[in-house]
Amino acid sequence: QSALTQPASVSGSPGQSISISCTGTSSDIGGYNYVSWYQQHPGKAPKLMIYDVSNRPSGVSNRFSGSKSGNTASLTISGLQAEDEADYYCNSYTSSNTWVFGGGTKVT
Amino acid sequence: QVQLVQSGAEVKKPGASVKVSCKASGYTFTSYYIHWVRQAPGQGLEWMGIINPSVGSASYAQKFQGRVTMTRDTSTSTVYMELSSLRSEDTAVYYCARAPNWSFDYWGQGTLVTVSS
Repeated sequence: QSALTQPASVSGSPGQSISISCTGTSSDIGGYNYVSWYQQHPGKAPKLMIYDVSNRPSGVSNRFSGSKSGNTASLTISGLQAEDEADYYCNSYTSSNTWVFGGGTKVT
Repeated sequence: QVQLVQSGAEVKKPGASVKVSCKASGYTFTSYYIHWVRQAPGQGLEWMGIINPSVGSASYAQKFQGRVTMTRDTSTSTVYMELSSLRSEDTAVYYCARAPNWSFDYWGQGTLVTVSS
């Protein structure tokens, strides 16, 4: 199972909106609504930000939103804040009954 | 509150095995699957496998088949991940994570495993 494809980096100014794409195949992203997104600050464990494509866990800011079209999922961060600077990873369940991560995107 | 507390850092020689523990608290241990994910230095996240603490069954990523074993002890609410035939490329931080559905909602603090001669 190949890793999902994410851009290596995305940058934005405070207050702007940015989007991170995550491209897979019909065997993972395209086949299931089981895409999740994780935020990771240096030296810390990942934190769940979005699950099942577009759902936010309790406590996660509504500035974070997720969507999916075909084999590509996206994470949008609106009203960008300094604390949002981190690495972001997408993840999907696959037809092989496994899970696969994207390569990660550094947001600055 | 939900907590996953992992064992401490390990240093192993090539060819050896390592066993990392993940002790769960704050919820019903047998009600949630546990995943293991690793992250090599400066690299991304890599899914290793999943265990059902209720029955003890596990499923592994093809890359680790034959080298990884995931087990659990329901009496102590602890899951274990053992990786054998270690090589330098296995140097990484290993995480356990709880799975309420198809995502990972709570993560352990991570365990650094260093493989070096």
